[in-house]
This record gives sequence, structure tokens and C-alpha cells, in this order.
Amino acid sequence: DAKTTQPPSMDCAEGRAANLPCNHSTISGNEYVYWYRQIHSQGPQYIIHGLKNNETNEMASLIITEDRKSSTLILPHATLRDTAVYYCIVRPYTGGFKTIFGAGTRLFVKA
Amino acid sequence: EAGVAQSPRYKIIEKRQSVAFWCNPISGHATLYWYQQILGQGPKLLIQFQNNGVVDDSQLPKDRFSAERLKGVDSTLKIQPAKLEDSAVYLCASSGPEGSNYGYTFGSGTRLTVV
Repeated sequence: DAKTTQPPSMDCAEGRAANLPCNHSTISGNEYVYWYRQIHSQGPQYIIHGLKNNETNEMASLIITEDRKSSTLILPHATLRDTAVYYCIVRPYTGGFKTIFGAGTRLFVKA
Repeated sequence: EAGVAQSPRYKIIEKRQSVAFWCNPISGHATLYWYQQILGQGPKLLIQFQNNGVVDDSQLPKDRFSAERLKGVDSTLKIQPAKLEDSAVYLCASSGPEGSNYGYTFGSGTRLTVV
């Protein structure tokens, strides 16, 4: 079973920030938080990952709470192309570990 | 770097027929995964290979599904005989060596429709 809980859907206005929450209360000390997104008819695409510090890249920012039991993915200026299903996953950092997906959050960006 | 290649992109078959999917991972990626994604759900792991050995196939319906990765590079997933409930997108993913920090890279998938 997936170790994360996400809302099934969210709406966001184009140009505004999209804040996608994720609960992972049973996360282990060696597990990282990864975010992927899946646009219709494509495979999931890596967005960002982090352990305990906030992370930022060209796609998004990741805010992890101090107790690491929850996190938020932030898309600073959402566009229509960001409409997708977003998956929050916890897994060990090193390669070779399987990734268990939940149902994710379906984000609708509206004009 | 080239991505994960999958073929065919789409396949329609009748129930009880057989079908095979092919995946070529990113060069040098030792770990290869097959996922099944039913419409409206997240991907479900079917099987995980490390080089040419199976690491985890606990969710693979072995009475009808089989997979191989003979030379530790490309892989095939077969269904025989297919059932209506096998209609789904079959995704292949690969991951790099220990310490790689981008998780998985997925292919675009094969959409299977069983009629």
C-alpha cells in the first residue's frame, strides 16, 4: 500500500500558485519524499525530491515539515500545461527500490 | 540521454488472445520495472528486475503474465491469455545505480484494450 495520502483533486487559477499537500506520517528516517506528475497519455515524470530541507528547482518547490510527516509541492505560477495528476511518494534514496504509487491528486488549472 | 522506449504504443486484442510488450531502458540502468495502470488509478508495480534477475514479482498474475530480461538490457512483458480486466496502460521504468537521485524514468507506455 502507498504510504502517502493526497486529496483526490484540486483546482487552481492560471498564473496563481498551486499548493499540493501530502501526508506521510509513517515516513522512515531513510526515506525521501518524491513528487511525480503524469500528464494525460504519458508516463509519470519526475518533478523534485527532498529529505528534510526545502528544495527548489526550475519546475517546483518542495516544503517538508520539520517532523517530516507532511509536505507541500508548490508550482509558483501554474499554467494550463500543469493540469495533470500529481503523485507524492516516499522511498529510500538509493536506486533499486520499488516505488508504490497512490491515486495522486488531479490538478485542474483553469484559465 | 535517450529515454525509456516502449512499443507498441497501442494494442487492441480480443479476450483469450496473447500479447507482448517491449521495453528498452535507459543505457546503463540496471533496474527495470513494469507497471500496470488502470484508468483512474495510480500505476501498480507488476515486476522489478535487477540486471537480468527478478527482484519482486509478488503482484504479477503468474497464471497469465510473464516477463523476461534475458541479457539485462531490454525486457518483454507477455499476457496469455488476455482477459477484459487486463485493459490498461503498461508502463516500463528504469532507474540508475545506487546514488542516482532522480528516481525513475518512465516510458510513454503501451495502451492495451481487450475486447
